[in-house]
Amino acid sequence: DAGVIQSPRHEVTEMGQEVTLRCKPISGHNSLFWYRQTMMRGLELLIYFNNNVPIDDSGMPEDRFSAKMPNASFSTLKIQPSEPRDSAVYFCASSFWGGSYEQYFGPGTRLTVT
Amino acid sequence: GENVEQHPSTLSVQEGDSAVIKCTYSDSASNYFPWYKQELGKRPQLIIDIRSNVGEKKDQRIAVTLNKTAKHFSLHITETQPEDSAVYFCAARAETSGSRLTFGEGTQLTVNP
Repeated sequence: DAGVIQSPRHEVTEMGQEVTLRCKPISGHNSLFWYRQTMMRGLELLIYFNNNVPIDDSGMPEDRFSAKMPNASFSTLKIQPSEPRDSAVYFCASSFWGGSYEQYFGPGTRLTVT
Repeated sequence: GENVEQHPSTLSVQEGDSAVIKCTYSDSASNYFPWYKQELGKRPQLIIDIRSNVGEKKDQRIAVTLNKTAKHFSLHITETQPEDSAVYFCAARAETSGSRLTFGEGTQLTVNP
């Protein structure tokens, strides 16, 4: 298995621009998680889905952030408009809900907003 | 909800020594406890996990112990090597939290040659 796939791996954008991060979970997994990691805040859960349905989005910082999962093999995290404080590494992870619950992380997207 | 506390935040050992990282959790319904290793610039990687029906689990130089009564679990690394240097995160999953994991703050382990 290819593992969790994220794109792009690096993104540099200017303040005010829209940013879209993409994730493909491990085939067969039915839970998908979006995390943000910074030195100041550590690893934060932003939102997670079970069977493509958002279950908990209490970690989403504000209305500028939105996430979708249109099908079992694809999810997006969108930031519009982006701000310098959004600069972080964004990880996607997946697991099998109702099974082992082992959670596997993708390689991350390093976002820099200037 | 679940709260996970991890200690110490930094740990420095000499190569060959043992390292122990401890975590406590608040929700007695938690039943799954994974440990992740994150090397600089890399993703967190699952290295070992334990479930609530087991008290100890070992995999080569790493082991995890669980004390359900005291609600704490620990990671033990023996014969440490420089490549063990990384940030280690503990996590817990509560039955009431669905598939969500609650992570500790992380421990920066440095193994000095």
